[in-house]
Amino acid sequence: EIVLTQSPGTLSLSPGERATLSCRASQSVSSSYLAWYQQKPGQAPRLLIYGASSRATGIPDRFSGSGSGTDFTLTISRLEPEDFAVYYCQQYGSSRALTFGGGTKVEIK
Amino acid sequence: EVQLVESGGGLVKPGGSLRLSCAASGFTFSSYSMNWVRQAPGKGLEWVSSITSSSTYIYYADSVKGRFTISRDNAKNSLYLQMNSLRAEDTAVYYCARFNLVIRGIDYWGQGTLVTVSS
Repeated sequence: EIVLTQSPGTLSLSPGERATLSCRASQSVSSSYLAWYQQKPGQAPRLLIYGASSRATGIPDRFSGSGSGTDFTLTISRLEPEDFAVYYCQQYGSSRALTFGGGTKVEIK
Repeated sequence: EVQLVESGGGLVKPGGSLRLSCAASGFTFSSYSMNWVRQAPGKGLEWVSSITSSSTYIYYADSVKGRFTISRDNAKNSLYLQMNSLRAEDTAVYYCARFNLVIRGIDYWGQGTLVTVSS
């Protein structure tokens, strides 16, 4: 079973700054099977990135994803006030199970 | 517009049962695999179960295997989760979620329904 470890647990930044979130897998993951979600308090998650680097419909281009193998990154180029939230990575495994990382909270500094 | 609306959550005693439902609309329900994902209070996301479009394949997380049963009725555009032998650690918001095989991710989520297991 693949384990996804996200770091840091909390990222304290100011609006306008760049956010870099990490997702590390315990074994190699196909890039096609790696996604990122954003979740705000009291809301369901929202798909941001799929296939490691493709933005979902309606997602601003300040969000970008990259990586391969065991190391993946979500970058928010310039934080907007609405970007402060929790972010999760997710992989779709050969067992057809979905695995989520523990999440990174991006908070206002 | 794609909509997923969960119902059936509530307070149940340990060892009890509950059946969650998810009403889908705005897309061809019978063409998509569906999932249940849960989130314990203040915690992260945990995948619970998935079912393919024609119910051919069903998968469960180890934490619920043998206690939960996922099913669907394509004629009614509905997804279900029968939860038996409930434990305190099953307390969570349960989300119904549409899985998109093209992107290999969840592209739509319901608003969630809260299940509380407590005596």
